[in-house]
Amino acid sequence: EVQLVESGGGLVQPGGSLRLSCAASGFIFSSNWMHWVRQVPGKGLVWVSRINSDGSSTNYADSVKGRFTISRDNAKNTLYLQMNSLRAEDTAMYYCIRDSSGSNYVAFDIWGQGTMVTVSS
Amino acid sequence: EIVLTQSPATLSLSPGERATLSCRASQSLTSYLAWYQQKPGQAPRLLIYGASNRATGIPARFSGSGSGTDFSLTISSLEPEDFAVYYCQQRGDWYAFGQGTKLEIK
Repeated sequence: EVQLVESGGGLVQPGGSLRLSCAASGFIFSSNWMHWVRQVPGKGLVWVSRINSDGSSTNYADSVKGRFTISRDNAKNTLYLQMNSLRAEDTAMYYCIRDSSGSNYVAFDIWGQGTMVTVSS
Repeated sequence: EIVLTQSPATLSLSPGERATLSCRASQSLTSYLAWYQQKPGQAPRLLIYGASNRATGIPARFSGSGSGTDFSLTISSLEPEDFAVYYCQQRGDWYAFGQGTKLEIK
C-alpha cells in the first residue's frame, strides 16, 4: 500500500524548533518530488516547500523562507521539515505529499494524514 | 502572483442533484489545474489533474473542464459521501490553492 506517515508535531514555544518526519512506503520514494503543505484548522491549504527527487533542489514559500528547511533521506525513504524560529502563525496541520505531476499538469496524488504543530507559550 | 478564486464559497444541494464548482485564475494556467476533495478530519484527496483527467479510483460522476483562466468541477449526481470541501490548485505560481468551496447538504 502506498503510504505517507508524518510524525514530529506537537506544542512548541514561539522561537522554538521542531523537526517533522514523513515515512514513505509502497512506492519508489527516490523517484518523486515531495512537498509539505499546511492547513490552519478550518482554513484553506497553503503550500510550504518542495524538494526534488535527489534532494539537490529545494523551494519555499516566502512565509517560511530562511526559517524552514526541507530535506530527504532516500536510503531511509523519509522526508523531513526542519522548522526553526517558529511563530504563532506557523500553527497548522502539516501534510507530507507525493508529487506525481507531469510536464503539463500538477498532481499531488498521495497525502499523509498530517501532523499538528502548535506554536504557543 | 497567480490567485485562484473559487465560487461559490458554499453550495447547498441535495443528493441526486448536479453540482458545478468554479475556479477562476488571475492569469492563464494552460492545463495545470487540479481539484482536491477534503472531508472533515481527513487529508485532501486528488480528484482531477490536468484540468480534466480523473485520478485513480475517482468515480465517473466527477468531471473537470476548462482552460486558460476558467475551470469547473462537475459532480453529475451527488452521493451522500460527496459533501465535502473542494479545492482547486495551480502550478503556475508555486502551487497555490483556491480558498475552497464547501458543498453542503440542503
